[in-house]
Amino acid sequence: GAVVSQHPSWVICKSGTSVKIECRSLDFQATTMFWYRQFPKQSLMLMATSNEGSKATYEQGVEKDKFLINHASLTLSTLTVTSAHPEDSSFYICSARRSNLNTEAFFGQGTRLTVV
Amino acid sequence: QQQVKQSPQSLIVQKGGISIINCAYENTAFDYFPWYQQFPGKGPALLIAIRPDVSEKKEGRFTISFNKSAKQFSLHIMDSQPGDSATYFCAASIVRAGNMLTFGGGTRLMVKP
Repeated sequence: GAVVSQHPSWVICKSGTSVKIECRSLDFQATTMFWYRQFPKQSLMLMATSNEGSKATYEQGVEKDKFLINHASLTLSTLTVTSAHPEDSSFYICSARRSNLNTEAFFGQGTRLTVV
Repeated sequence: QQQVKQSPQSLIVQKGGISIINCAYENTAFDYFPWYQQFPGKGPALLIAIRPDVSEKKEGRFTISFNKSAKQFSLHIMDSQPGDSATYFCAASIVRAGNMLTFGGGTRLMVKP
């Protein structure tokens, strides 16, 4: 299967700082990438959908000014958590598809964010 | 509104047994139903998926059964092994409408040796 690499795997940051998480499709071009948030022992909640070269579409309740998503190329999307607070601590996971009609989604390994 | 309901939340099975996880959906427009396996601290990995034009799909020890009229689908893991211990998520999407996955709540499976 295709490989999606997420970096970093874990990060600890201080309250008020910003953190950037990268999601790369290593062996295919991803026209669409998705960002999820997962709390312990819970399911994945879609935060936003990003298409290369256009603005991300955020799910209801997700603050777009707090969770900045950039999909500048067909192989890279970034999620920046701005002015992080302890309640932002979570497991963030990206996934990528070749196109909207390509059903299989490939997931990154996730990023554990801890805000202290 | 929880569009995909998954049960049970947790499951303990003896090695060699059959693990069965069920999901029910509400939106009849869903046309793609994958199952994902997730180990602690890792991202989900696709196990098997089905489209609504078939009632069953088998890949190795994993089988999806699909009941369109009941709006239900299930994952069967035959000859369950300790290495299958993980969290399993069902999901559903509408391919033509952006193909965004809606996940079930997850099932934590423990296979005892």
